Amino acid sequence: QSALTQPASVSGSPGQSITISCTGTSSDVGDYNYVSWYQQRPGKAPKLMIHDVSNRPSGVSNRFSGSKSGNTASLTISGLQAEDEADYYCTSYASSSTYVFGTGTKVTVL
Amino acid sequence: QVQLVQSGAEVKKPGASVKVSCKASGYTFIDYYIHWVRQAPGQGLDWMGWINPNTGGTNYAQKFQGRVTMTRDTSISTAYLELSRLRSDDTAVFYCAKVGSSWYEFDYWGQGTLVTV
Repeated sequence: QSALTQPASVSGSPGQSITISCTGTSSDVGDYNYVSWYQQRPGKAPKLMIHDVSNRPSGVSNRFSGSKSGNTASLTISGLQAEDEADYYCTSYASSSTYVFGTGTKVTVL
Repeated sequence: QVQLVQSGAEVKKPGASVKVSCKASGYTFIDYYIHWVRQAPGQGLDWMGWINPNTGGTNYAQKFQGRVTMTRDTSISTAYLELSRLRSDDTAVFYCAKVGSSWYEFDYWGQGTLVTV
């Protein structure tokens, strides 16, 4: 199972919107609406930001939103803030009850 | 509140095995699968597999099959990850995570356990 493909880095100025893509195949992202997104700050455990493509857990800012089209899922952060600077990972349920993570994206707030 | 508390850092020699624990509290342990994730230094997240705490059933990522064993002790609400035949490239932080109510997301994570080979 190959890792889902994410851009290595994305940057934006405070207040701007950025979008992180997560490209898989018809065996994972394209076949299931079970894509999640995680934020990871240095030295910390990942934190769930989006699940089931576009659902936001309680307590997560509504500046975070998710979507999917075909084999590509996306995470959009609107109104970018300094505290959003972190690594972001997508993951998808795949065949045979397995999961696959994305390669990870470093978000920099300029 | 839900907590997953993992065992402390380990240093192992190549070829040895390591067993990491993940103690759950704040919810009914047997109701939610536990997953394990590896993160090598400066690298991304790597899914290793899951255990069903109710039945003990497991499913491992192909790249770890033959070297990984996931078990649990329901009497103390603890899941375990054992990795054998350790190599230097197994040096990593290992995380446990529980699935959420939608079953396909990881809503709570342990603090991570650093294993140095």
